[in-house]
Amino acid sequence: QSMLTQPPSASGAPGQRVSISCSGSSSNIASNTVNWYQQLPGTAPKLLIYSDTQRPSGVSDRFSGSKSGTSASLAISGLQSADESDYYCATWDDNLGWVFGGGTRLTVL
Amino acid sequence: QVQVVQSGAEVRKPGASVKVSCKVSGYTLTYLSIHWVRQVPGKGLEWMGGFDREDGEKVFAQNFLARLTMTEDTLTDTAYMELSSLRSGDSAMYYCATGLYSSGWAFAFWGQGTLVTVSS
Repeated sequence: QSMLTQPPSASGAPGQRVSISCSGSSSNIASNTVNWYQQLPGTAPKLLIYSDTQRPSGVSDRFSGSKSGTSASLAISGLQSADESDYYCATWDDNLGWVFGGGTRLTVL
Repeated sequence: QVQVVQSGAEVRKPGASVKVSCKVSGYTLTYLSIHWVRQVPGKGLEWMGGFDREDGEKVFAQNFLARLTMTEDTLTDTAYMELSSLRSGDSAMYYCATGLYSSGWAFAFWGQGTLVTVSS
């Protein structure tokens, strides 16, 4: 069971905005920054967001991150079929080390 | 830019050990924090352990503390992960991942993965 809780699935129509939540606790999200990863089928994960809100070079500005208290969110605007993927949140837990959310499978309708 | 290349797929019997290599280029290993993440087929990502470059210490997930050995060869910029006492539940894709201080040590660069199959 993951220390970070994500919804197992999310969906949206092309062009819409979708948000994926990540719920943690005082020992992880509340005290450390959150990163988000995208994993396309059969490939290694790719860093989408780091330090809660920062995008690495080359990542579309359609992806954005936010955090408040013990929860974080990844928002994807202007949804495209290429966004259909698994998304994971991750952060450092002061007791356990790096922890990942269970992952959210995004379906573009 | 950091490139990460892992060794090829492995098959082991239960009780055996497996050693996976992770060669980096574009940066020297001493500037990187190498971590190991595994993914059982159809499941999520699970952090196993890594080298905290800021503290200079190895850190381990509790589940792997007794079975995981991580080493580095700075001459060849290659990191190694050895998992012992393998069981069928260890059949998974194993990734090495790394990042830089400039991106908060997030795992910005990943290897292609090494599939480990444990079967009698």
